Amino acid sequence: QKEVEQNSGPLSVPEGAIASLNCTYSDRGSQSFFWYRQYSGKSPELIMSIYSNGDKEDGRFTAQLNKASQYVSLLIRDSQPSDSATYLCAVKGGGSYIPTFGRGTSLIVHP
Amino acid sequence: DGGITQSPKYLFRKEGQNVTLSCEQNLNHDAMYWYRQDPGQGLRLIYYSQIVNDFQKGDIAEGYSVSREKKESFPLTVTSAQKNPTAFYLCASSRGLAGVETQYFGPGTRLLVL
Repeated sequence: QKEVEQNSGPLSVPEGAIASLNCTYSDRGSQSFFWYRQYSGKSPELIMSIYSNGDKEDGRFTAQLNKASQYVSLLIRDSQPSDSATYLCAVKGGGSYIPTFGRGTSLIVHP
Repeated sequence: DGGITQSPKYLFRKEGQNVTLSCEQNLNHDAMYWYRQDPGQGLRLIYYSQIVNDFQKGDIAEGYSVSREKKESFPLTVTSAQKNPTAFYLCASSRGLAGVETQYFGPGTRLLVL
């Protein structure tokens, strides 16, 4: 049974700070990793995908992947109140083409 | 304007009733999926389809049925056998099932039991 673990939070950060969201996974064969943002009552929307070890940056967002340690993280720089949402980690691969989702981490950015 | 549409936004089910949730996409994606989300929970896979006229059960298929007669459409029926159907239902699609392919989600349907 593949597992994707996220701290449910809430993670509370002040406006302008860096928010760090973490995700660990159990299947060492996992190959593709995705971060989604979900506002309350809305559907998930893709923020970033990452497939190789290291960092991938897109605007204020940076995804970090460490396959040896089996974790992927999402950094949000200069956090804004509009970033307040639940962030879902999804992991794919290792013989399955269907992603496994974590339960999500709730992020609150306070002014 | 490409995307995934789901209807209705809210759906009420009476006990013993079957209800059907609609999902349509115009992204020309081959793969489509149905997920269920309960409060504070992750997404749980109900069914997925890789190609027209073919679909596979996910982790929680009992009490649900699907069809895939057209590439663009993947309706989900919640049958009376599903005893706890109240949840947020999300339809998603992707170009295929390959590892790099990304899922995109529709706006969701919230199902409530009367």
